[in-house]
Amino acid sequence: GAVVSQHPSWVICKSGTSVKIECRSLDFQATTMFWYRQFPKQSLMLMATSNEGSKATYEQGVEKDKFLINHASLTLSTLTVTSAHPEDSSFYICSAEAARTGELFFGEGSRLTVL
Amino acid sequence: DAKTTQPTSMDCAEGRAANLPCNHSTISGNEYVYWYRQIHSQGPQYIIHGLKNNETNEMASLIITEDRKSSTLILPHATLRDTAVYYCIVRVVSSGGSNYKLTFGKGTLLTVNP
Repeated sequence: GAVVSQHPSWVICKSGTSVKIECRSLDFQATTMFWYRQFPKQSLMLMATSNEGSKATYEQGVEKDKFLINHASLTLSTLTVTSAHPEDSSFYICSAEAARTGELFFGEGSRLTVL
Repeated sequence: DAKTTQPTSMDCAEGRAANLPCNHSTISGNEYVYWYRQIHSQGPQYIIHGLKNNETNEMASLIITEDRKSSTLILPHATLRDTAVYYCIVRVVSSGGSNYKLTFGKGTLLTVNP
């Protein structure tokens, strides 16, 4: 079946540094990708929706300058957490919508810990 | 806001059928019902989806009421590995890209007991 890969699966960084998380659709083209954040024992919270070649649409309360999303190709979207702080520690999950069928596939998630 | 409501938690005995309900009373005619599950610290795993008719695959069955305002996911023989949070969501499926938001509710924590 279709696979969405996230990298890295986990990352630890110091406060103030920036971290980039990649989301790749391995065997299909994804026109739309979604980024979610999940805190412990909570549901997935949609952060932003990105369409290839255009600016991402951010949900209310999500700072676009802090969470930079780039969707430059049909198989890759990146989320950069800039100047990370401990409160940004979370589980970040991407999903990709197949361009041809509209089906939705999720990545394995990336756990960010900011010290 | 999520368009679905589910019980917070359910228990099921190993080997028995697990029936997970979901209400989606405001579902639109072009929205599908999707079920995913999430095991701790992993991404959501697709289970099944349907529009109007009941569906069955190797993992589960999906029963959708005639008015489409609710559905039930059935795991016919639950195992310990089925312990997870199960999410019911509704979404439009469109090829060619969309900005259709996909929001998750709190889901149901299913605990399968030995």
